[in-house]
Amino acid sequence: ELKVEQNPLFLSMQEGKNYTIYCNYSTTSDRLYWYRQDPGKSLESLFVLLSNGAVKQEGRLMASLDTKARLSTLHITAAVHDLSATYFCAVDYHQGAQKLVFGQGTRLTINP
Amino acid sequence: DVKVTQSSRYLVKRTGEKVFLECVQDMDHENMFWYRQDPGLGLRLIYFSYDVKMKEKGDIPEGYSVSREKKERFSLILESASTNQTSMYLCASSPRGSFHGYTFGSGTRLTVV
Repeated sequence: ELKVEQNPLFLSMQEGKNYTIYCNYSTTSDRLYWYRQDPGKSLESLFVLLSNGAVKQEGRLMASLDTKARLSTLHITAAVHDLSATYFCAVDYHQGAQKLVFGQGTRLTINP
Repeated sequence: DVKVTQSSRYLVKRTGEKVFLECVQDMDHENMFWYRQDPGLGLRLIYFSYDVKMKEKGDIPEGYSVSREKKERFSLILESASTNQTSMYLCASSPRGSFHGYTFGSGTRLTVV
């Protein structure tokens, strides 16, 4: 059974600081997804990582994938308040059929 | 703008009622999914469908059933609602063979009293 674990689950940080959210998963997969969820809203796709060593960046967010370590990271650079949200990683464990298993989510709060 | 539409944002139902949650997508996607979201547990897969009239159990199907009579519509049914089914329910879809993740609906927050 595939398990996906994120840490930390809660993160409170100041504007301007850097931090990293970690996503570990238990079985082989080379497809990993990051989503953002604002309070009361649905999930919005952030990054799609489809191979070992993949790195994607959008603004102050950068995601990477190490399939050998079964680890993805979401790095936040010089955080700003509007990045406050819950971030989920998800791993595709059904080859070719795209069935995603989600982590617990990391609730990120960025304080002025 | 492509969309996954869930018919209700908020629902309150009584224990023992039969509850229907509806999801419609306008993207001609083959794959459709129902998840529930609970604090600290992330999203858990209830049922999914790869084509019309096809359905497969996810990780937590007990107490639920689904119907997919048309490609664009995937319904989640709570046969006899219970308080432990109070949750946020999220529908999602994706095209066959795509590796680009899901498009999610806006969610239905169901409270069973």
